[in-house]
Amino acid sequence: AQSVTQPDIHITVSEGASLELRCNYSYGATPYLFWYVQSPGQGLQLLLKYFSGDTLVQGIKGFEAEFKRSQSSFNLRKPSVHWSDAAEYFCAVGYSGGGADGLTFGKGTHLIIQP
Amino acid sequence: NAGVTQTPKFQVLKTGQSMTLQCAQDMNHNSMYWYRQDPGMGLRLIYYSASEGTTDKGEVPNGYNVSRLNKREFSLRLESAAPSQTSVYFCASSLAGGLSGELFFGEGSRLTVL
Repeated sequence: AQSVTQPDIHITVSEGASLELRCNYSYGATPYLFWYVQSPGQGLQLLLKYFSGDTLVQGIKGFEAEFKRSQSSFNLRKPSVHWSDAAEYFCAVGYSGGGADGLTFGKGTHLIIQP
Repeated sequence: NAGVTQTPKFQVLKTGQSMTLQCAQDMNHNSMYWYRQDPGMGLRLIYYSASEGTTDKGEVPNGYNVSRLNKREFSLRLESAAPSQTSVYFCASSLAGGLSGELFFGEGSRLTVL
């Protein structure tokens, strides 16, 4: 069965500093990988996704992520964070075999931005 | 464009009461999902519907039932609520399930069971 690990429950970053959120997955075949963001009291919004091709993907709000098959990782990065980036971030893996049983989510990383 | 709409947004129940969470999407998506979100647990899939007329259990289906009323609507029912079902529930939809993978989420329904 597929699984997703986000090793960091909380991360605190100063405004303007760079950010990297870690995600590791376990899945036998080629995965579909996603990063979602959840602002307080809101639903989840897609930041970016990887299906195939270029392993560095660009998303909304200045985020990017790099797929590294050898490390089974899909880390999210941003060069300079803004206070509005404070939120919960979820990595997710999809079933590339054609099933419709949704995505498997990590437990999330809570991002805190210090002024 | 409303996307995925859930009702109610908040609900308080007593143990043993029943209720139904409603979800509707206006994106003509084929697949719909119900997740629950608990602190430190991320999102866990309760039930999903790959297409109109079909439903399947997810990771945590016990205590829940679902109905795919038509292509737009997918409801989640708690027949006899328990405190362990206190959670935030999210409905989501997807154009083609695992083929595209991308899910679109509603804003969530916060349920408290006393």
